Amino acid sequence: GENVEQHPSTLSVQEGDSAVIKCTYSDSASNYFPWYKQELGKGPQLIIDIRSNVGEKKDQRIAVTLNKTAKHFSLHITETQPEDSAVYFCAASERTLGRLYFGRGTQLTVWP
Amino acid sequence: DVKVTQSSRYLVKRTGEKVFLECVQDMDHENMFWYRQDPGLGLRLIYFSYDVKMKEKGDIPEGYSVSREKKERFSLILESASTNQTSMYLCASTGTGTAFFGQGTRLTVV
Repeated sequence: GENVEQHPSTLSVQEGDSAVIKCTYSDSASNYFPWYKQELGKGPQLIIDIRSNVGEKKDQRIAVTLNKTAKHFSLHITETQPEDSAVYFCAASERTLGRLYFGRGTQLTVWP
Repeated sequence: DVKVTQSSRYLVKRTGEKVFLECVQDMDHENMFWYRQDPGLGLRLIYFSYDVKMKEKGDIPEGYSVSREKKERFSLILESASTNQTSMYLCASTGTGTAFFGQGTRLTVV
């Protein structure tokens, strides 16, 4: 099955700086790559996703890039704010209705 | 607004008890999933279902079973709870690619 690796496991940044989280996947058939944010005491919530026919997608301060050849994708958060502090998970799926394979998560801390 | 609702936020059960975790979604999604979340291990898939009365094992099904009698409801069953099943349990449902999660059930087995 698919194997998703996520780095780093923890990330601390100063408010206003950028944060980058990277993931790699193993199955070249994967074609859907969502990112989830989990705040303390809550379930994960989708923040952005990308499909394999697109190289980059942006939504305000967050962006995701995908390199299908290298099998890696990244989450970029610019102008970080304390409320961005959370655990972030990347995931991959070989079909949009199929199961998701998750990375182990990144604890992002944004210091004011 | 899509809603995935888990029946309990916190549960404390004794070793050997039979435990039921319930999950209901209101978006008519075909696919439903149960994950457990442990520090440093991320989300691990226990069981999933693509249709009513249908179930598939995930990566860590041992010690668990599931039931899906109605499309909107997916239950996780711990036949005989053990202390190593103390964890956060997350239910999810998917429509056109996006997975929606419940708020989680933190289960403690003593």
